[in-house]
Amino acid sequence: DQQVKQNSPSLSVQEGRISILNCDYTNSMFDYFLWYKKYPAEGPTFLISISSIKDKNEDGRFTVFLNKSAKHLSLHIVPSQPGDSAVYFCAASAPRGNTGKLIFGQGTTLQVKP
Amino acid sequence: NAGVMQNPRHLVRRRGQEARLRCSPMKGHSHVYWYRQLPEEGLKFMVYLQKENIIDESGMPKERFSAEFPKEGPSILRIQQVVRGDSAAYFCASSPAKLGYEQYFGPGTRLTVT
Repeated sequence: DQQVKQNSPSLSVQEGRISILNCDYTNSMFDYFLWYKKYPAEGPTFLISISSIKDKNEDGRFTVFLNKSAKHLSLHIVPSQPGDSAVYFCAASAPRGNTGKLIFGQGTTLQVKP
Repeated sequence: NAGVMQNPRHLVRRRGQEARLRCSPMKGHSHVYWYRQLPEEGLKFMVYLQKENIIDESGMPKERFSAEFPKEGPSILRIQQVVRGDSAAYFCASSPAKLGYEQYFGPGTRLTVT
């Protein structure tokens, strides 16, 4: 069962515009969410995270929004740059009492066109 | 300030051979996680270790797979009698603590079973 879902396999945006990547989850006990960026043949790179007690976290061009009632989070990148082209994974930290393992979505491939 | 190190980066094994994957966590990190990424999929948790202890191996296949994190030296993921279905990218991540902290990933080991 896929507890973390990224329903858009790919997204293409123009340089300078906003990129919005979406993620849905099913387990209301998740309490920490993270976004990772991955280039081919490299490991995932941490981008930004958010605790379930917040609804927004911002770091430079990256903002993550959390809507707990909808079990939905999104990553906004503005302005988008060609170097942002990569696969983006959202991940949730499994519920309290477990060991901190991350549950990942399937990933969304972002292409930013010059 | 070295990041998470994994070796080898690429490993080719024939069916039936053993594969050993190594991971050295970031300095100061005592929590190690192993994940596997099959083609076109997201990362799947395998095992979580602290020094000399396996804390959570709920994602590990019951047979042929084992992991350790000795007092001295890197963490090792060992796959005995490899089969073609074991071909994947194996990522190690480390964290300073188990909950509420980001996990930092190594570059991965790409295992190919021929």
